[in-house]
Amino acid sequence: AQSVTQPDIHITVSEGASLELRCNYSYGATPYLFWYVQSPGQGLQLLLKYFSGDTLVQGIKGFEAEFKRSQSSFNLRKPSVHWSDAAEYFCAVGPRDFNKFYFGSGTKLNVKP
Amino acid sequence: NAGVTQTPKFQVLKTGQSMTLQCAQDMNHNSMYWYRQDPGMGLRLIYYSASEGTTDKGEVPNGYNVSRLNKREFSLRLESAAPSQTSVYFCASSGGGAGGQPQHFGDGTRLSIL
Repeated sequence: AQSVTQPDIHITVSEGASLELRCNYSYGATPYLFWYVQSPGQGLQLLLKYFSGDTLVQGIKGFEAEFKRSQSSFNLRKPSVHWSDAAEYFCAVGPRDFNKFYFGSGTKLNVKP
Repeated sequence: NAGVTQTPKFQVLKTGQSMTLQCAQDMNHNSMYWYRQDPGMGLRLIYYSASEGTTDKGEVPNGYNVSRLNKREFSLRLESAAPSQTSVYFCASSGGGAGGQPQHFGDGTRLSIL
C-alpha cells in the first residue's frame, strides 16, 4: 500500500540556520514526488516536484529536495531559513499513471528570530 | 487569475443538517479532488473526478457525495452532517492523466458541526 511518512511533526530552527525536512515513502514503483507548503488559513502551494532525471531538484523560495531511491526518501532542504518560511510542509507522492496523490501528515516549521 | 475557488469559506452546521460545498476552477483542468484536513492526519482524499462525467471514491468517502457538474465545477455534499465531519475541506484540480501534473488547491472551507 502507498504511504508517506513525515517523521517530524514540529521543527524549530533559528533564522539563518539550515533546514532539512524528512519524507519517506512506500510505493511499488518510482512515483512522482512533491513538496507543498501551507501558510495559516491558506491552501497548499507547490514548492517543487520530482519526475525523473537529476535527483536534486530546485524549487521556489530557495528550497531544494533530493530523491534517494535506495532510501525511499525525498527530503526538503534550505540553506538559510527566513522568518517567512514558518508554515506547514507536506510531502506527497503520486503514481505515474494517474494523478491520485497521497500526502504525509505534515511538518510544522517554527522559525526563531 | 482565480485558480481554484471554494465557497463558502466558513460554515457552522447543526448535526443532521445538509450542505453542499462548491468548487470551481478556471484552468481547464480535467481532474478535480476533494480532501479533508484534520490535525496530525495530513490531507485525506474523499472523492475525485478524473474527468467530466466520472467520479470515484477516495480514502474516506463515507457520509459524502459528489457531483461533477461540468468541467469547471465539482461539488461535495454532506447529506446529514455529523460532528466527525468537522474539518477543513480543500478542493484541488490538476491536468490529470499521465505526466505527474501537480495539484492546485483552493483556500479551503472551514466547517464546524455542532
